[in-house]
Amino acid sequence: GAVVSQHPSWVICKSGTSVKIECRSLDFQATTMFWYRQFPKQSLMLMATSNEGSKATYEQGVEKDKFLINHASLTLSTLTVTSAHPEDSSFYICSAPMNFWSSGPYNEQFFGPGTRLTVL
Amino acid sequence: AQSVTQLGSHVSVSEGALVLLRCNYSSSVPPYLFWYVQYPNQGLQLLLKYTSAATLVKGINGFEAEFKKSETSFHLTKPSAHMSDAAEYFCAVSDKFGNEKLTFGTGTRLTIIP
Repeated sequence: GAVVSQHPSWVICKSGTSVKIECRSLDFQATTMFWYRQFPKQSLMLMATSNEGSKATYEQGVEKDKFLINHASLTLSTLTVTSAHPEDSSFYICSAPMNFWSSGPYNEQFFGPGTRLTVL
Repeated sequence: AQSVTQLGSHVSVSEGALVLLRCNYSSSVPPYLFWYVQYPNQGLQLLLKYTSAATLVKGINGFEAEFKKSETSFHLTKPSAHMSDAAEYFCAVSDKFGNEKLTFGTGTRLTIIP
């Protein structure tokens, strides 16, 4: 099956610093990738849609200047948390879709293993 | 707009007992429905999906789910729980017309009692 990787798997940083998280589709190309944030014991909340070759689309309430997304190639998207603060501590998960066909076209999402960010 | 409601944030069952995790959806167009499992500090793994080919869907690890349009439900079941089934389970919906976005339910934590 399709594999999506994330790096790093965990990171601890000081308040005010920036952190970059990479999401890679290892064996398929993805013109679109999705970034989610998950707080402890809660569901995944979509933050933004990363689009290869164009600007990311952010969900309502997500600060685009704080969470910078760059879709550098068809297999790599990066999320940079700028000027991180303790409230940004969370589990960040990316996903990439592949197109399939059943009774009609649909997309199946493949998820990365997640990145645990802790801001001190 | 689409939404998913998972009834019961925590479910506990004895090992060997039936597992039933509930999911109800709301969608203005025919939905695609998914169940994912998440183990601690890991990403999501697809258990099974409904894409309108068959209403009873069988997935990995002995799980299955039945799409019931009249009840707008897609409940997840497993006849006999194993200790390894302890995890967080998420129901998700996307629309049929190629929309790649998934809307997740709030999740159900499944605990298996030895």
